[in-house]
Amino acid sequence: ETGVTQSPTHLIKTRGQQVTLRCSSQSGHNTVSWYQQALGQGPQFIFQYYREEENGRGNFPPRFSGLQFPNYSSELNVNALELDDSALYLCASSQQGDEETQYFGPGTRLLVL
Amino acid sequence: SQKIEQNSEALNIQEGKTATLTCNYTNYSPAYLQWYRQDPGRGPVFLLLIRENEKEKRKERLKVTFDTTLKQSLFHITASQPADSATYLCALGFMDSNYQLIWGAGTKLIIKP
Repeated sequence: ETGVTQSPTHLIKTRGQQVTLRCSSQSGHNTVSWYQQALGQGPQFIFQYYREEENGRGNFPPRFSGLQFPNYSSELNVNALELDDSALYLCASSQQGDEETQYFGPGTRLLVL
Repeated sequence: SQKIEQNSEALNIQEGKTATLTCNYTNYSPAYLQWYRQDPGRGPVFLLLIRENEKEKRKERLKVTFDTTLKQSLFHITASQPADSATYLCALGFMDSNYQLIWGAGTKLIIKP
């Protein structure tokens, strides 16, 4: 186990709703990245937070937003859910000086109906 | 166009043999390449990192090669065991984009007793 935790483990929402996913990073890690993984695909980078600031963003629309808190935990918010948002959402933490090594949580499985 | 290709078909290997997985990419110049293991419904687990100036890396029964001319990495598991059965993903890393990872879709490896 990596020490990165995510909640909830599973979630079912309907189209148009909003969702908040949470991630607690490994102790001492100040960088959190979020990824979306569709079934049978590799993860796709959504964005990264470093010291509470967004530090890079992938090709995702603005309805995907995030926060990082002083304790380095993080949230991913998705507004106006679409059916294609159904996926496994992963967060990964890393520490300054070893940014290449990312430690992933177990993910949150989101199903949009 | 840019793409990363891994064997889309599952790889079936007899226990005790060496499993070799391939990661090919086009129109990328990664600073490093990583291999991860992912079990169903779980987050990826980091296995090995190899940099652009390295040819080969080993860790216990694992070996990775990286050929930046061929734009290919090979991942070997020697003396394979049924517990090695999982999906293996390669990911390209770039120093100038906040260590964002670009992922392949993964290859499912099945080790038969």
